[in-house]
Amino acid sequence: GNSVTQMEGPVTLSEEAFLTINCTYTATGYPSLFWYVQYPGEGLQLLLKATKADDKGSNKGFEATYRKETTSFHLEKGSVQVSDSAVYFCALNNNNDMRFGAGTRLTVKP
Amino acid sequence: GAVVSQHPSWVICKSGTSVKIECRSLDFQATTMFWYRQFPKQSLMLMATSNEGSKATYEQGVEKDKFLINHASLTLSTLTVTSAHPEDSSFYICSARQGQMNTEAFFGQGTRLTVV
Repeated sequence: GNSVTQMEGPVTLSEEAFLTINCTYTATGYPSLFWYVQYPGEGLQLLLKATKADDKGSNKGFEATYRKETTSFHLEKGSVQVSDSAVYFCALNNNNDMRFGAGTRLTVKP
Repeated sequence: GAVVSQHPSWVICKSGTSVKIECRSLDFQATTMFWYRQFPKQSLMLMATSNEGSKATYEQGVEKDKFLINHASLTLSTLTVTSAHPEDSSFYICSARQGQMNTEAFFGQGTRLTVV
């Protein structure tokens, strides 16, 4: 079946540090991959996506590359800000079956 | 991107009463909408898939008589928590997709339900 595994948090970083949140998936065929961000008390917002192998999704300084050979979609940002503090969810959609990872809470300290 | 609006954003109700939460896709038609429940500091738990014009499909363990879902049109789905109890207190989130396979989901802003 389809599933998503992402690194457990919480993750605490200082401002301007480098961020990596690991995400791996299991799926047959060719799913689309997504990263969502959830700020406190809000719903999920799409952060970036990739629809095929080797695609790189990017937005607001965040990047993730669809790696089919390693079934991964790791989220990275070169220099985090306090405003990036949130919960990040990795997700896939495979033939209308959408799955989410458990979420990783990121806290950025000034 | 597409916009999904959820209302109300928070509600407090007395134990034993019913609460209705609305989810609207504002600028696209959604044949399918999804309802999730989220406990504090946890991931999303899919409750049910709401299909326009037909009965919702509930996930295992979700009481369909307690969580009534109606998908009255291509832009509106409602979740009614019937005879609410304190253990139903949670954050409820809806999402919708635009119908094509493997597309992203767009989420409402969530509803914080507190049953007292």
